[in-house]
Amino acid sequence: EPEVTQTPSHQVTQMGQEVILRCVPISNHLYFYWYRQILGQKVEFLVSFYNNEISEKSEIFDDQFSVERPDGSNFTLKIRSTKLEDSAMYFCASSEASGQGGYEQYFGPGTRLTVT
Amino acid sequence: RKEVEQDPGPFNVPEGATVAFNCTYSNSASQSFFWYRQDCRKEPKLLMSVYSSGNEDGRFTAQLNRASQYISLLIRDSKLSDSATYLCVAASGTYKYIFGTGTRLKVLA
Repeated sequence: EPEVTQTPSHQVTQMGQEVILRCVPISNHLYFYWYRQILGQKVEFLVSFYNNEISEKSEIFDDQFSVERPDGSNFTLKIRSTKLEDSAMYFCASSEASGQGGYEQYFGPGTRLTVT
Repeated sequence: RKEVEQDPGPFNVPEGATVAFNCTYSNSASQSFFWYRQDCRKEPKLLMSVYSSGNEDGRFTAQLNRASQYISLLIRDSKLSDSATYLCVAASGTYKYIFGTGTRLKVLA
């Protein structure tokens, strides 16, 4: 069964450093997403991406964040200058362009980001 | 008011019991609804989509009431492996998911 993969599984970084989180969406999916979940809190939408453009972003997704699809398979989230409050689990998700069920999103296993 | 609201639980039920979870959403423009399950420190996994006509998948039944902006999930004959957090999701716009905080279920032997 196809699945979304993410690397690394755990990233530890110092405050102020840049990090890049990587995702490989399901191969025939055209919509890509990043979410985050701070420990003990709900899953929060960050950004959606389609046709090499951001479709929608949340208030959390400020100028410190960027996304890119550098090639035909990878989808990345970059945080330019990490803050302590960026510590969270970051989930990548993808969905098909069309079909029944309202564009179900499939999530990767997540990258746990710890900012010290 | 929270966009998607769920009772956090925990719901502790014996094996074999029937348990129901409810969820309300505030955005009447929400177009699609889902239930996901999340095990501790893992990713959300799709359990089922929720349709206006209601839908069933084995022991799981989901219902949507658009007039009341209310979604439900019923689990029959609970198994130990059903222990998890159940996340209610409302989607709108460019399929941006709004998650509830989740309802914790613990099935006891």
